[in-house]
Amino acid sequence: NAGVTQTPKFRILKIGQSMTLQCAQDMNHNYMYWYRQDPGMGLKLIYYSVGAGITDKGEVPNGYNVSRSTTEDFPLRLELAAPSQTSVYFCASSYGTTINTEAFFGQGTRLTVV
Amino acid sequence: DQQVKQNSPSLSVQEGRISILNCDYTNSMFDYFLWYKKYPAEGPTFLISISSIKDKNEDGRFTVFLNKSAKHLSLHIVPSQPGDSAVYFCAALDMRFGAGTRLTVKP
Repeated sequence: NAGVTQTPKFRILKIGQSMTLQCAQDMNHNYMYWYRQDPGMGLKLIYYSVGAGITDKGEVPNGYNVSRSTTEDFPLRLELAAPSQTSVYFCASSYGTTINTEAFFGQGTRLTVV
Repeated sequence: DQQVKQNSPSLSVQEGRISILNCDYTNSMFDYFLWYKKYPAEGPTFLISISSIKDKNEDGRFTVFLNKSAKHLSLHIVPSQPGDSAVYFCAALDMRFGAGTRLTVKP
């Protein structure tokens, strides 16, 4: 059982380039999330989705876009990459936000913008 | 405005002693909290949770206490082990996380 899979694990982008961070889960979870973690800092919620076709902004959505065309996939798009987007990105999924649920996280994507 | 706060960025304890990690929240509507543990270069993993209908939840060496009147929860690890050295995050059910506390357990 793979859980939450993120690709790529590492990436270096030049300023102004674009890229898509991939996230897939095989647990049939409704909820999916994208976070970023800056060095020495906590996790900040970028975007989340409560089901296919539904997405919503989190705490730090500027500079990012998401889509959720299937239950399994939740890609994060960076347009016009900036050095401030250098971070480690984590994708997570959960069954829902009712009691007795927890989120499962991917291993992260380390992104450097130079 | 951060609604879940961990005000201690780091904590160091001796192996075998108790570790107490704290978390405060501002929204009294929050009724479920989760603790996650994160090792370097890995994603966070779920540790323990608590519902507001309880004031305590235990799982082996880990106990979470909830004080609703103070809007405060704490994670107790007894006895602490070197393998517990990690960053611990608390989160409310809306999946917004505190800043984390780095726990170091010294042998």
